[in-house]
Amino acid sequence: AQSVTQLDSHVSVSEGTPVLLRCNYSSSYSPSLFWYVQHPNKGLQLLLKYTSAATLVKGINGFEAEFKKSETSFHLTKPSAHMSDAAEYFCVVSQGAQKLVFGQGTRLTINP
Amino acid sequence: ETGVTQTPRHLVMGMTNKKSLKCEQHLGHNAMYWYKQSAKKPLELMFVYSLEERVENNSVPSRFSPECPNSSHLFLHLHTLQPEDSALYLCASSQEGLSLYNEQFFGPGTRLTVL
Repeated sequence: AQSVTQLDSHVSVSEGTPVLLRCNYSSSYSPSLFWYVQHPNKGLQLLLKYTSAATLVKGINGFEAEFKKSETSFHLTKPSAHMSDAAEYFCVVSQGAQKLVFGQGTRLTINP
Repeated sequence: ETGVTQTPRHLVMGMTNKKSLKCEQHLGHNAMYWYKQSAKKPLELMFVYSLEERVENNSVPSRFSPECPNSSHLFLHLHTLQPEDSALYLCASSQEGLSLYNEQFFGPGTRLTVL
C-alpha cells in the first residue's frame, strides 16, 4: 500500500525567505503525487501534481516540487515566502483511481 | 456558483438529532467523495461514489448514511452521532475515466460539532 510521511508538523519562516516542506512516500509502483494547501476555514486546493511526465513540477503561487525516486521524496519549495502562504500543506499519494492517501499535514507560519 | 459547494458551513447538533450535509459540484464530474478531517489526524476517506454508485465505504459507522441522487449532488445523513464525530467534513469531486490519477476538487467543508 502507498503512504506518505510529512517530516515536519510545523515550519516557520520569515517573509521573503525560502520555503521547504518535506515529504517522503512509499509506493510499490511509480506513484502519482500531489501537494494540496488548506487555508483557514477553506477547503483543500491543489498546488501541483506529479504524474511521471517531468520530475520537476511547477505549481500555482510560485511553488514547485521535485520527484526524486532514489530518495523516495517529493519536497515542496518556494524561493520567497509571502504572508499569504501561511496555511496547512498536505502531501498526497494516489493509490489508484479514486483513492488518495494524505499525509499528516505541515502547518506553515510566515513571520513578518 | 462554481467548483464544489457545501452547506451548511457550520452545524451544531445534539446526539439525538438527525441532520444532513449537502454537497454540490458544478464541474461536470462523475465521482464524488466524503472525507472526515479531525484535529491531528490525516484526512479519512469515508465514501466514494462513481457514476452515482457507491464504490467505497471505509468501514464507516452506520450513523453516517450517504446518498447520491445524481452526479452533481451528494448528501451525508447524520443520526445519533457521538461527540467524537465532531470534525470538518469535506466533500470532493473528480472526473474519472480520462486517466487513473485525476486530482480531486474540494469544497470548503462543514464544521460539525456534536454536543
